[in-house]
Amino acid sequence: DAGITQSPRHKVTETGTPVTLRCHQTENHRYMYWYRQDPGHGLRLIHYSYGVKDTDKGEVSDGYSVSRSKTEDFLLTLESATSSQTSVYFCAITSAGGYSEAFFGQGTRLTVV
Amino acid sequence: GESVGLHLPTLSVQEGDNSIINCAYSNSASDYFIWYKQESGKGPQFIIDIRSNMDKRQGQRVTVLLNKTVKHLSLQIAATQPGDSAVYFCAERYAGGTSYGKLTFGQGTILTVHP
Repeated sequence: DAGITQSPRHKVTETGTPVTLRCHQTENHRYMYWYRQDPGHGLRLIHYSYGVKDTDKGEVSDGYSVSRSKTEDFLLTLESATSSQTSVYFCAITSAGGYSEAFFGQGTRLTVV
Repeated sequence: GESVGLHLPTLSVQEGDNSIINCAYSNSASDYFIWYKQESGKGPQFIIDIRSNMDKRQGQRVTVLLNKTVKHLSLQIAATQPGDSAVYFCAERYAGGTSYGKLTFGQGTILTVHP
């Protein structure tokens, strides 16, 4: 398995609270991504990073922010969690974009009550 | 995970049969495609990939076929085993520099293999 660790693996939080999910990689890959997975929608891109301090929005970025202060860590923050953000969140990495495959973490199941 | 299963296409096969899972992709500019397998409670796992300059690529027990004319991708699994039961996703990418490696995923197909 690719060296990707997501934490926490499970979290229950209350509406309106801030939440931060962490993705840690040991592969020294340049590109990192956050996806969410919901029934009927498959995997959708939230934010991505193409280098330290270089990030951009994906297709479902509203309500989320990210930070990447070092190569190995990519943080996803829900500034004020809402019930619509209840989902399974996956981090992915790839070495060079282009024709290289992406590897996924084990996921974080987040429930907002 | 287990909640992915709602509203997805399903394929049920007997152990030992061959399975074919289909995917229609959306972007005619996409030039790289990946098939992933996702077991319950786990992240997607890479199975096989193909570039747009190829029509077919084979791996161990798996073959991917690409038809760019109709924007269609298929995954063939030979001699399907109970351990192949999972959700299968296709993903597409435009491999140019400005894409930053972003993948767009299909909805997925649930494969169930009966002993």
